[in-house]
Amino acid sequence: EPEVTQTPSHQVTQMGQEVILRCVPISNHLYFYWYRQILGQKVEFLVSFYNNEISEKSEIFDDQFSVERPDGSNFTLKIRSTKLEDSAMYFCASSWWENTEAFFGQGTRLTVV
Amino acid sequence: QKEVEQDPGPLSVPEGAIVSLNCTYSNSAFQYFMWYRQYSRKGPELLMYTYSSGNKEDGRFTAQVDKSSKYISLFIRDSQPSDSATYLCAMKGDDKIIFGKGTRLHILP
Repeated sequence: EPEVTQTPSHQVTQMGQEVILRCVPISNHLYFYWYRQILGQKVEFLVSFYNNEISEKSEIFDDQFSVERPDGSNFTLKIRSTKLEDSAMYFCASSWWENTEAFFGQGTRLTVV
Repeated sequence: QKEVEQDPGPLSVPEGAIVSLNCTYSNSAFQYFMWYRQYSRKGPELLMYTYSSGNKEDGRFTAQVDKSSKYISLFIRDSQPSDSATYLCAMKGDDKIIFGKGTRLHILP
């Protein structure tokens, strides 16, 4: 069964460093998303991406964040200068179309020290 | 008023009982409704997806949507200990999915 895969499963980084979280969406899907979940809190929307551009972003997704689809299979989230409060689980999701169901990956646990 | 309201629980029920989980929402732009199950430190797993008012059944799960009341429900029949998890309601509109806080469910053997 097709699935969304994310790497790495756990990343530890020092405050101020750049990190790139990687995702491989389901192959025929066209819409891609990043979400984050701080421990014990709700899953929060960061950004949606379609046709090689951002279609929607939240207030959380500030200039420190960027997304890219560098090739036909990967979808990445970059955090330029990490802060302690960026520590969270980051989930990638994809859907075939904007009004179809979205499938999530298992997440990357980011720990900023 | 928050966009999506969901009682965080925890909700404890005996094995075999019918479980009822609910969410309310305020944004009329939401047109598509989902229920996800999440185990600790894992990604949300899609259980149900629906876009119209009424009921949708899949095995032991029934999703119910009432757009006029802005209220959605998930029913789990014949609950099992393996159903113990956090259940997230989610609503889609305007190119984003908004989640409820999740309800922690414990099924007692």
